[in-house]
Amino acid sequence: DTGVSQDPRHKITKRGQNVTFRCDPISEHNRLYWYRQTLGQGPEFLTYFQNEAQLEKSRLLSDRFSAERPKGSFSTLEIQRTEQGDSAMYLCASSSNLDRVRYEQFFGPGTRLTVL
Amino acid sequence: GQQLNQSPQSMFIQEGEDVSMNCTSSSIFNTWLWYKQEPGEGPVLLIALYKAGELTSNGRLTAQFGITRKDSFLNISASIPSDVGIYFCAGRPGGSEKLVFGKGTKLTVNP
Repeated sequence: DTGVSQDPRHKITKRGQNVTFRCDPISEHNRLYWYRQTLGQGPEFLTYFQNEAQLEKSRLLSDRFSAERPKGSFSTLEIQRTEQGDSAMYLCASSSNLDRVRYEQFFGPGTRLTVL
Repeated sequence: GQQLNQSPQSMFIQEGEDVSMNCTSSSIFNTWLWYKQEPGEGPVLLIALYKAGELTSNGRLTAQFGITRKDSFLNISASIPSDVGIYFCAGRPGGSEKLVFGKGTKLTVNP
């Protein structure tokens, strides 16, 4: 399988705990994105990396959220001191900028977070 | 912030019927994309549009990038039961790499 993979697929945690999600992009893609999706809504952009550099962050990414892509390959998204409002599907996507015209983001299956 | 207005919110159709849905915005977008999402899964890319006026097909799906760059539509011809899902439009604003998504159109196809 050469698509975007995410781990875990589901996470249940108690309020106040820290959680970390992992995303492995399509192997030749140098761009990686995190989105959050709540029930009945479209995905909302959180942040984006080109290689290991974090180039864009949304105001949705509060100081409890941190994302890393240390070697320009996989990425992690950590949420500290989780709140019930953090319950959502966290989606990762990847793309390549080698073609300056085409622009297509491919999504992984998501991590469903439930904060009790 | 930028918002996409996607309509209709839901559609209930009979197998074999054609479907049309659209997305509008008050802002200009440089790229329009259409995705389909099924329960518990991530969005799957259907069609990408890069130039104003562009009309692109993918099998029974046809999408167009509006001339004003503020809208796009998706048509599905001769619907089948496996077309069931939520269809999202997404636009990429100039100067950004993020995608802005609509709220989705939920499609139900009755056999």
